[in-house]
Amino acid sequence: AQSVTQLDSQVPVFEEAPVELRCNYSSSVSVYLFWYVQYPNQGLQLLLKYTSAATLVKGINGFEAEFNKSQTSFHLRKPSVHISDTAEYFCAVSDRDKAAGNKLTFGGGTRVLVKP
Amino acid sequence: EADIYQTPRYLVIGTGKKITLECSQTMGHDKMYWYQQDPGMELHLIHYSYGVNSTEKGDLSSESTVSRIRTEHFPLTLESARPSHTSQYLCASRAGGGYGYTFGSGTRLTVV
Repeated sequence: AQSVTQLDSQVPVFEEAPVELRCNYSSSVSVYLFWYVQYPNQGLQLLLKYTSAATLVKGINGFEAEFNKSQTSFHLRKPSVHISDTAEYFCAVSDRDKAAGNKLTFGGGTRVLVKP
Repeated sequence: EADIYQTPRYLVIGTGKKITLECSQTMGHDKMYWYQQDPGMELHLIHYSYGVNSTEKGDLSSESTVSRIRTEHFPLTLESARPSHTSQYLCASRAGGGYGYTFGSGTRLTVV
């Protein structure tokens, strides 16, 4: 079984400032890692994913995340945020074992509030 | 453009009513999932399916039931709705382990 901890429930940030959302996971097996964004009254949209190879993953809307196996972390970053980045962000982990169903386990979410 | 569709988007119903939340996807994905999400809270898996005639309960106990008669269709049913069922219900599908989930826009259910 795996678990995900998002260390910050809310992150206020000023427009054009950088932001980092922290995510740590635990798992006894190799994993896939994902970041999703959820805008108000919407479903979740995939921002980026780590599946193998490069540890620095680039996603949509200028976001990137770095996989750190030794620290079991997958922090999300953006160098300059916009008002439109105000949303809820979810980190998620899935084991690589097809027999286990590849179910996603989500973190508790981090609410990003971008201020003008 | 969404490839997974949920209807209705919003639903307000009275206690004791039977309801079915619809979820359809056009991507041919075998794996489909239902999550329950309270406002501002994390997502909890309540049901999933690996294919036609396959359904399993998720990590969070739910009084709802699901069916999977066709690959593209994964409806969720509440036989007798209660105020405690008030929540957002998100449907998702997946091609394979490394692909992540594609989510529908959700159904926000309010039971009065």
